[in-house]
Amino acid sequence: DIQMTQSPFFLSASVGDRVTITCRASQNIDDYLNWYQQKPGKAPKLLIYGASSLQSGVPSRFSGSGSGTKFTLTISSLQPEDFATYWCQQSYTIPFTFGGGTKVEI
Amino acid sequence: QITLKESGPTLVKPTQTLTLTCTFSGFSLSTSGVGVGWIRQPPGKALEWLTLVYWTDDERYSPSLKSRLTLTKDTSKNQVVLTMTDMDPVDTATYYCAHSLGTGNFDYWGQGTLVTVSS
Repeated sequence: DIQMTQSPFFLSASVGDRVTITCRASQNIDDYLNWYQQKPGKAPKLLIYGASSLQSGVPSRFSGSGSGTKFTLTISSLQPEDFATYWCQQSYTIPFTFGGGTKVEI
Repeated sequence: QITLKESGPTLVKPTQTLTLTCTFSGFSLSTSGVGVGWIRQPPGKALEWLTLVYWTDDERYSPSLKSRLTLTKDTSKNQVVLTMTDMDPVDTATYYCAHSLGTGNFDYWGQGTLVTVSS
C-alpha cells in the first residue's frame, strides 16, 4: 500500500495567515492527489483534485501543488470557516489511502 | 443535485454481519465514468477507503478487507449495498458512501452513519 504522510499533525494559526500543509507519498503517484476538508461531525469535502485542480465552488484562497511524492495544500489567507481537519488522499492505485490528517486550529 | 445517504444498524454484535445501504439521487450508476465508494472513519481517527463500484460493475476492494466485504449494486433503485462480515469492535466507525467520477476522488459524500460494534 502507498503510505501518505501529512505534516504537521496540528497547526495553530490566526485569521489572515498563510497556511501550508504538506503531504508525502511513499512512492510516485504522479498527480493523483486529492485534498479534503472535514469539520467536526461532518463528512469530508473535496477541495482539490489532481493535485492542483480546484473543485467547483471552493474558494480560490485554496490551492494545491506538487507531483510525484511531495504535495502541498496552501490557504492564502485563513478565514474563520477554514478551521478544520485536512486530509490528503492518493487515487493513483488501489487501495486508495489517506494521510493522517492535519488539524488547523485558532 | 447529487445526494447520498447511508442507512443501516447503529449497533451490531461482534461476529455479526453488517449491511449498509447507500441510497443516492442526482446521478445514475449506469452513466459512464460514475462510481460509488465506501469510506469509514473510526472515532477520532483517519479516513480509510473500503471499496468502490464503477458504472461498468467493476468492483474494487481494499485488500486488507476484501475477504469480508461484498458490494451489491441496484441501478434501478439507485442503491449500493455494502456487506461486511465478522464484525469486530475495531470496526466501530462512521461509514460514508460517496460519489466518484471514476478518478478515485470523492466529490459528493453522504452524511455518514456511525456503527458501533459491541456485545
